[in-house]
Amino acid sequence: DVKVTQSSRYLVKRTGEKVFLECVQDMDHENMFWYRQDPGLGLRLIYFSYDVKMKEKGDIPEGYSVSREKKERFSLILESASTNQTSMYLCASSLTLGPPLGHFGDGTRLSIL
Amino acid sequence: KNEVEQSPQNLTAQEGEFITINCSYSVGISALHWLQQHPGGGIVSLFMLSSGKKKHGRLIATINIQEKHSSLHITASHPRDSAVYICAAVYYGGSQGNLIFGKGTKLSVKP
Repeated sequence: DVKVTQSSRYLVKRTGEKVFLECVQDMDHENMFWYRQDPGLGLRLIYFSYDVKMKEKGDIPEGYSVSREKKERFSLILESASTNQTSMYLCASSLTLGPPLGHFGDGTRLSIL
Repeated sequence: KNEVEQSPQNLTAQEGEFITINCSYSVGISALHWLQQHPGGGIVSLFMLSSGKKKHGRLIATINIQEKHSSLHITASHPRDSAVYICAAVYYGGSQGNLIFGKGTKLSVKP
């Protein structure tokens, strides 16, 4: 069974901390994505990667960076966490950049205090 | 600006009812996805449509390209259908990097 695994389901951090969210996929997919999901705003793309060490900004990249050193792993980094980054974060992977949509992880609910 | 609008935002139904969730978009698209997100957070892709109609079990998805509108129907709804349903549009020339998501419809089916 295909799987996208996010390292934490729930995470609580403090303002100013550097936060790492990890995502691993076992499908040998080229493309990986990080979204955040907020009530009333829906899913918004933060960053995506179409190959190892390659990345592209999504709609809301400010305050975030990403790392893809290995094909199966895509990390989202909050350099200095702020309270407005409290959100649900979802990782996804897909074989192609176009349709079909690919697979999502179960999400990480991050709270910044 | 490309937008995807869903309605209703919230929907409560009794078990067995026929349910319709609507999605409209503003410009031409190459495909539209319907997704299901359960309370735990994980998202599952239900359908991908570029024209016509698709059916899977009790779920039916339709799209009208001329009217820029898609609907997701659930027949004989069941409490286990309770979830957030999200439509997402891929605009012409776009990739998943250019997906536009609707805000979701929260469905609650009461026994």
